Amino acid sequence: RKEVEQDPGPFNVPEGATVAFNCTYSNSASQSFFWYRQDCRKEPKLLMSVYSSGNEDGRFTAQLNRASQYISLLIRDSKLSDSATYLCVVGFWTSNTGKLIFGQGTTLQVKP
Amino acid sequence: DTGVSQNPRHKITKRGQNVTFRCDPISEHNRLYWYRQTLGQGPEFLTYFQNEAQLEKSRLLSDRFSAERPKGSFSTLEIQRTEQGDSAMYLCASSFVNSPLHFGNGTRLTVT
Repeated sequence: RKEVEQDPGPFNVPEGATVAFNCTYSNSASQSFFWYRQDCRKEPKLLMSVYSSGNEDGRFTAQLNRASQYISLLIRDSKLSDSATYLCVVGFWTSNTGKLIFGQGTTLQVKP
Repeated sequence: DTGVSQNPRHKITKRGQNVTFRCDPISEHNRLYWYRQTLGQGPEFLTYFQNEAQLEKSRLLSDRFSAERPKGSFSTLEIQRTEQGDSAMYLCASSFVNSPLHFGNGTRLTVT
């Protein structure tokens, strides 16, 4: 089983639609959670951190369910410019080690 | 430009040759990471440094791979006796401790 799992999609939605992505992780001791966005042939860029209480940034809402070990990302009122791959990222830190593990990514295509 | 810088952007090499990539992190960051990404997959963790100490290496990092970060500044990733399976995007990222990663543009390696 992969440490971080995502449905690769693609998700094809019309402009204005609401779309949700889920991600599951296997390490119950994971401590940090993020969503990154990656455009074609570009580097990943931080979209938002995910907090236990859930958090919102404009049209984007992220939620964390530690009991079920999953993270979600909701995009409202989709724009053409939201077309990209969304990477779920989970971090595990100790006093002398720490790394972020990326999921496979979910591809979103927003169509006019 | 104070972002993460990687050189070269592209490298084409013949199987069996050695290649070296360079990464210059954001100067204030004390952690530096190397990831590898192939088409349709998320970035895979290779190794990371805290200052000049290499704290963790993935099992993906075979004996042909070596990374250094002299003086805790820039880092190099060397691949010896390249194989076609080494063809990928090699991403460098830097961060503060337990913080999101900031990626460079990556070095795309093609082994012919």
